[in-house]
Amino acid sequence: AQTVTQSQPEMSVQEAETVTLSCTYDTSESDYYLFWYKQPPSRQMILVIRQEAYKQQNATENRFSVNFQKAAKSFSLKISDSQLGDAAMYFCAYRSGRILQGGSEKLVFGKGTKLTVNP
Amino acid sequence: GAGVSQTPSNKVTEKGKYVELRCDPISGHTALYWYRQSLGQGPEFLIYFQGTGAADDSGLPNDRFFAVRPEGSVSTLKIQRTERGDSAVYLCASSLGRVTGELFFGEGSRLTVL
Repeated sequence: AQTVTQSQPEMSVQEAETVTLSCTYDTSESDYYLFWYKQPPSRQMILVIRQEAYKQQNATENRFSVNFQKAAKSFSLKISDSQLGDAAMYFCAYRSGRILQGGSEKLVFGKGTKLTVNP
Repeated sequence: GAGVSQTPSNKVTEKGKYVELRCDPISGHTALYWYRQSLGQGPEFLIYFQGTGAADDSGLPNDRFFAVRPEGSVSTLKIQRTERGDSAVYLCASSLGRVTGELFFGEGSRLTVL
């Protein structure tokens, strides 16, 4: 079974600075997807960024980028120019890419990292 | 509605009671998921529907938990003989069902069992 580990329960960053959240995962599959979700106090999970394992290029979405190291099974999230609205829980998640071959549709989540942004 | 809607937002019940949690997905989304998020944890998968059928119910913890989606739209998660350990936020998500389809989550139903 796949597992996702987030080793930083809490992180803090000064407004306008850069912060990196860590995530490692364990899988025997070669085809999969990785995600970072943000969960503000409203509880609604919001997709921040997605990475396909077959793509070597790291995904970017505006101020958010990832460092995907497939061999190391590492998937970190970098937030540049941090804003007060970035404060939330951040969850790393894994999804099988072999769904058409019987792989699971489900997302496997880590335990999350609470990000605080200081003004 | 524009997003995934879950009701009730909060539910307090007594141990041993029966509860139902409702999820109204985004119109046109064929895939629907239920997750459970305990305090301080990430969401844990419960069940996945493709259309009306449960394609994967491997995450349901025991036979007290059951979910239905009779018309392929609204889904209800049913919990019988509730226990204090069932207290959690129950999240629902829907997607278009494609392999890379993004999951859209609701705001969850917080269940507290006294």
